[in-house]
Amino acid sequence: NAGVTQTPKFQVLKTGQSMTLQCAQDMNHNSMYWYRQDPGMGLRLIYYSASEGTTDKGEVPNGYNVSRLNKREFSLRLESAAPSQTSVYFCASSEFGSSLGQETQYFGPGTRLLVL
Amino acid sequence: EDQVTQSPEALRLQEGESSSLNCSYTVSGLRGLFWYRQDPGKGPEFLFTLYSAGEEKEKERLKATLTKKESFLHITAPKPEDSATYLCAANTGNQFYFGTGTSLTVIP
Repeated sequence: NAGVTQTPKFQVLKTGQSMTLQCAQDMNHNSMYWYRQDPGMGLRLIYYSASEGTTDKGEVPNGYNVSRLNKREFSLRLESAAPSQTSVYFCASSEFGSSLGQETQYFGPGTRLLVL
Repeated sequence: EDQVTQSPEALRLQEGESSSLNCSYTVSGLRGLFWYRQDPGKGPEFLFTLYSAGEEKEKERLKATLTKKESFLHITAPKPEDSATYLCAANTGNQFYFGTGTSLTVIP
């Protein structure tokens, strides 16, 4: 049981390049999320997917696209990277149980992205 | 505007010196208040979820409480291994609003 996995761990891009960050979870969770974490800003939600086949914007979606490939996988794409997208990106998954008290959220180890 | 504020930003404690971390929130329709621990270079680790004012949850030396405007994370007799950044987040359904965290250092 690996939990939430992310690839790659590190990436350096030049301005204008594109890349896809991959995320997978093996906990059979319906909801998945992409966050970015910047010093002094805290974690900010980029996109989320409440269930397979659905995606919605979070607080900071500009410059990103997402795909919920299946229940396990949720990818984040930067079409034309900018220096402002230098950050640590975390994927998370969660499950809201049938009764209160069973709600949890698990994070992956993160992808550190540097855009030059 | 939905907002979560944590204080203090940083806290240094002697081993065994108990203290509390604060998480103030102003969100529309709080569904749950989440607490996490984050070690350097790692993803946040889930600790607790609280749902209603007056609720308390405990895990080892940590106890989280919730009021209508704030949540507190009480650390009793901390040990050096409790050193980490503690994050709180307000959930309003599928949106999570995080605070910037409290960096806790426990000195032996």
